[in-house]
Amino acid sequence: QQQVKQSPQSLIVQKGGISIINCAYENTAFDYFPWYQQFPGKGPALLIAIRPDVSEKKEGRFTISFNKSAKQFSLHIMDSQPGDSATYFCAASSWANNLFFGTGTRLTVIP
Amino acid sequence: EPEVTQTPSHQVTQMGQEVILRCVPISNHLYFYWYRQILGQKVEFLVSFYNNEISEKSEIFDDQFSVERPDGSNFTLKIRSTKLEDSAMYFCASSVSLLAGSEQFFGPGTRLTVL
Repeated sequence: QQQVKQSPQSLIVQKGGISIINCAYENTAFDYFPWYQQFPGKGPALLIAIRPDVSEKKEGRFTISFNKSAKQFSLHIMDSQPGDSATYFCAASSWANNLFFGTGTRLTVIP
Repeated sequence: EPEVTQTPSHQVTQMGQEVILRCVPISNHLYFYWYRQILGQKVEFLVSFYNNEISEKSEIFDDQFSVERPDGSNFTLKIRSTKLEDSAMYFCASSVSLLAGSEQFFGPGTRLTVL
């Protein structure tokens, strides 16, 4: 019930391309859906987050699309850059703010 | 910019030994968390802590684990008798609020290796 499923496990994108990472959840009590970016040797850092009352949120090159009925959400990285190469985790939480993470996607952006 | 710090960065211990992982949360934050990440796997919630009490804990957080805020700045995770499967990266995080949507700031982690 607390599981968050994430795909793909790894992703290789050309510089300038669009990176898309998908997540799905089961627990309808989740009401906060953040994406975290993690570089090697560092802790996860919040990238962008969305609540289920909106279907899309955009911050710069990063967009979250949210489909409440399907219980799915995705991260789109437009104009992907080599500096975006990192591991991306989707997560979800309910009132208690404990984060349940997806399994992560290792993104490699090729120059 | 304020940040969460963790010490040590790497801890090597023998199976059965006790370890204490230390964290200094961001100073005005009131809620503290421990997560772990086994190599190559997802980040997993262990415990949340507020007002000197555990707020929530996961199934992973069994009697071998304990948390403490011994003074006004440190937040510690103790593993009483380490097992091989405790080898992981342990992340401390803190937030201003416990409400969903209150951003959690993560430290750089402590890599625990149990031999």
